[in-house]
Amino acid sequence: NAGVMQNPRHLVRRRGQEARLRCSPVKGHSHVYWYRQLPEEGLKFMVYLQKENIIDESGMPKERFSAEFPKEGPSILRIQQVVRGDSAAYFCASSPNVRGGETQYFGPGTRLLVL
Amino acid sequence: ELKVEQNPLFLSMQEGKNYTIYCNYSTTSDRLYWYRQDPGKSLESLFVLLSNGAVKQEGRLMASLDTKARLSTLHITAAVHDLSATYFCAVGGGQNFVFGPGTRLSVLP
Repeated sequence: NAGVMQNPRHLVRRRGQEARLRCSPVKGHSHVYWYRQLPEEGLKFMVYLQKENIIDESGMPKERFSAEFPKEGPSILRIQQVVRGDSAAYFCASSPNVRGGETQYFGPGTRLLVL
Repeated sequence: ELKVEQNPLFLSMQEGKNYTIYCNYSTTSDRLYWYRQDPGKSLESLFVLLSNGAVKQEGRLMASLDTKARLSTLHITAAVHDLSATYFCAVGGGQNFVFGPGTRLSVLP
């Protein structure tokens, strides 16, 4: 029974390029969350998705960032025209039920470095 | 807006000693979570506390929740080096799920 999977684990991009981060939730989980963690800091909520729907994107920057969770396939966090300040660890989590009612299971994270 | 605070933010303690980490939150919630994170690793779920007065224990860690005081504690008994990590509390309910800043624990021999 695989846990949350994220890939790539490490991603290096130059300023202005695009970054695509993928997250496959625990099998049977229909709720996905993305968080960003800057070095030496806690996790900041970005977006909460269910299949084909964005439920809450209040933590996501309005420009350059987008997320989706299609009917088939992994959830994708996309960052366009990356800047150095986007360098961080991006964690995906999933839960089987409504947000807040169940513990969230975290993936290993994608560490993005923007040169 | 839900805010979550932890203290201390940094903690060095000797092996064998006891200590408590505190987690305060600003608005009513009856769900609180504790996670552990090792350097460069992901988050591991430790405890889920779902009601006032809930107490859970696993090994040398014990967590409790007082929803009236909006306070959770994570108590460490007879610390060992393997407990060195960053501990996060998170408070959630409905659309809100907010992490505290973390407490970085170092257990010294």
